[in-house]
Parts: sequence; C-alpha cells; structure tokens
Amino acid sequence: KQEVTQIPAALSVPEGENLVLNCSFTDSAIYNLQWFRQDPGKGLTSLLLIQSSQREQTSGRLNASLDKSSGRSTLYIAASQPGDSATYLCAVPETSGSRLTFGEGTQLTVNP
Amino acid sequence: DAGVIQSPRHEVTEMGQEVTLRCKPISGHDYLFWYRQTMMRGLELLIYFNNNVPIDDSGMPEDRFSAKMPNASFSTLKIQPSEPRDSAVYFCASRATGVVNQPQHFGDGTRLSIL
Repeated sequence: KQEVTQIPAALSVPEGENLVLNCSFTDSAIYNLQWFRQDPGKGLTSLLLIQSSQREQTSGRLNASLDKSSGRSTLYIAASQPGDSATYLCAVPETSGSRLTFGEGTQLTVNP
Repeated sequence: DAGVIQSPRHEVTEMGQEVTLRCKPISGHDYLFWYRQTMMRGLELLIYFNNNVPIDDSGMPEDRFSAKMPNASFSTLKIQPSEPRDSAVYFCASRATGVVNQPQHFGDGTRLSIL
C-alpha cells in the first residue's frame, strides 16, 4: 500500500527566503505526482502535476522535482511571500491514476 | 470558468438526522471524487465515479454512507443516520480524462458538524 510522507510538518520563514518542501512515497511505480495548496477553510488548489516521465515542472516561483527511483519529490518556492502561507500537500495516484494518496501536508508560514 | 461547486458550505445537525451533500463538477470532467478530511486521518477518498458510474467505493466507511451520480453534472453524498464521528470537511473533486494524466480540481468543501 502506497504511503506518502511530508517533511517538515510545519515551517516558518521570513519573507523573501527560498524554501524546499519534501515529499516521499514508498511505491515508486507511480503515474504522476501532484502538489496542492490548501488555504484555511478552502479546498485544495492544484499547483503542479509531474508526469512519471518528467523530472520537474515549473510554474512561476514554484518548481517541483520528481525522483521516482528514490521515491522523492521536492517543491521549491523562490522568494517566498506572505501570500504563500498555506498548507502544501503532495499526492500520488494508485494504479490507473484515479485514487490519490495524500501526504499529511506541510503548513507553511511566511512572515512579513 | 466555474470550478467545482459544493453545497452547503456548512451543515450542523443532530445525531441521527439524514445529511445530504451536493456537488456539481466542472463541465466536461468525467471523473468525480468524494473525499473526507479530518485532523486525525487527513484526506481520505470515499468513492469515485467515472462517467456517472461508481468505480471504487472501498473508502466508504459503512452502510450509513451512500453516493449517487444521476447525471454528469450532479452528485450527492448521503449519510443516514449521521453520527458525531462523521463530523469532518467533505470535499468533492473532478478531473478530465486526457492523453496524459490530468489534475484533480477540488471544491471548497462542506464543513459538517454532527452534534
């Protein structure tokens, strides 16, 4: 059974800092890996989806990498802003790509 | 472009009552998912549909939970009778089928409190 772990559970940084969030998974036979953002009282917003054949994806200040062989993904946030404060979750699908297994999330606080 | 729409946003009811949560997926999406989020268990998939047909309901906790998708633009999750341990945020998500895997898009959730 796939297990997804995210480290750290919480992170507090000053504005402007570059930071890395980590995600690891136990079964490397994945179709893709997805990073989400969740704001308090809100649903999840998809940030980046990396296909299994890709090594990384970029969107603005966000860069996500994927290393299937080691069962790891990182989400890099450049020049962090207070508006980046949220919980970030990674998720991997099982088998056909439908059932997602989520990590427990990293709660990020960017202080002005 | 409207996202996934869920209603109600908040529901407070007494134990034993029937609860119905509603979801309208993004138009054109052929997958629909129901999740439950709690502090203790995180995000759990309850059931998902493809083309209105339930594919995997192994996450539905017990017979008190049921889900339907009568057409491509509407789904319900029903709890009858409700219990305090059902208190959670329930999310609906939808996804399109594509040549490559497509991301799931989530609604804002229904915060359910059973007293």
